[in-house]
Amino acid sequence: EAQVTQNPRYLITVTGKKLTVTCSQNMNHEYMSWYRQDPGLGLRQIYYSMNVEVTDKGDVPEGYKVSRKEKRNFPLILESPSPNQTSLYFCASSSYGGMAAGAKNIQYFGAGTRLSVL
Amino acid sequence: AQSVAQPEDQVNVAEGNPLTVKCTYSVSGNPYLFWYVQYPNRGLQFLLKYITGDNLVKGSYGFEAEFNKSQTSFHLKKPSALVSDSALYFCAVRDKGNTGFQKLVFGTGTRLLVSP
Repeated sequence: EAQVTQNPRYLITVTGKKLTVTCSQNMNHEYMSWYRQDPGLGLRQIYYSMNVEVTDKGDVPEGYKVSRKEKRNFPLILESPSPNQTSLYFCASSSYGGMAAGAKNIQYFGAGTRLSVL
Repeated sequence: AQSVAQPEDQVNVAEGNPLTVKCTYSVSGNPYLFWYVQYPNRGLQFLLKYITGDNLVKGSYGFEAEFNKSQTSFHLKKPSALVSDSALYFCAVRDKGNTGFQKLVFGTGTRLLVSP
């Protein structure tokens, strides 16, 4: 079954304690992305990756890091979490991230990680 | 930059009645528009997309969306609502990221409540 798997689903932590949210997809997708969802703001892109070792900032990258050492994995790292990073996080993947007219551009989302930073 | 707006935070409809969830867009060039649905405790699921061609796009679960260029709208519709359609719906538009590759820009979401 095609899946994007995020772990953990729920996480409560304290300010400054480093954490990693893992994301893995089994569809051999090149493109992966992280979003955060906040009430009234919709989903905002944090970082994205076009392929292994190719990553770039999205709209709200401050306070986050990512890595793409393998095609299937795209972990989100919070080196020093702060309360304003309390949010619902989604990982997504798709087969192609280009702007060509024929690009499918359909993104598949994980179930989400609800993070609370105290 | 491309953007979409969802003017309604919530839409209430009775089961069996038609439903409409509104979305307007602001883009330069031809828009690539999407609808996603989020059920409780689940990730977003793709419903349908408009790239080119027919203005009426059919998608999953009996949903369809009408692209209207003159009104810059892409409203989501369903002829007969089900209680199980109750969810959070997001309109999105494809935009170009910093390095020229695509990203999705989402609206703020509309909660649909279908009452029995």
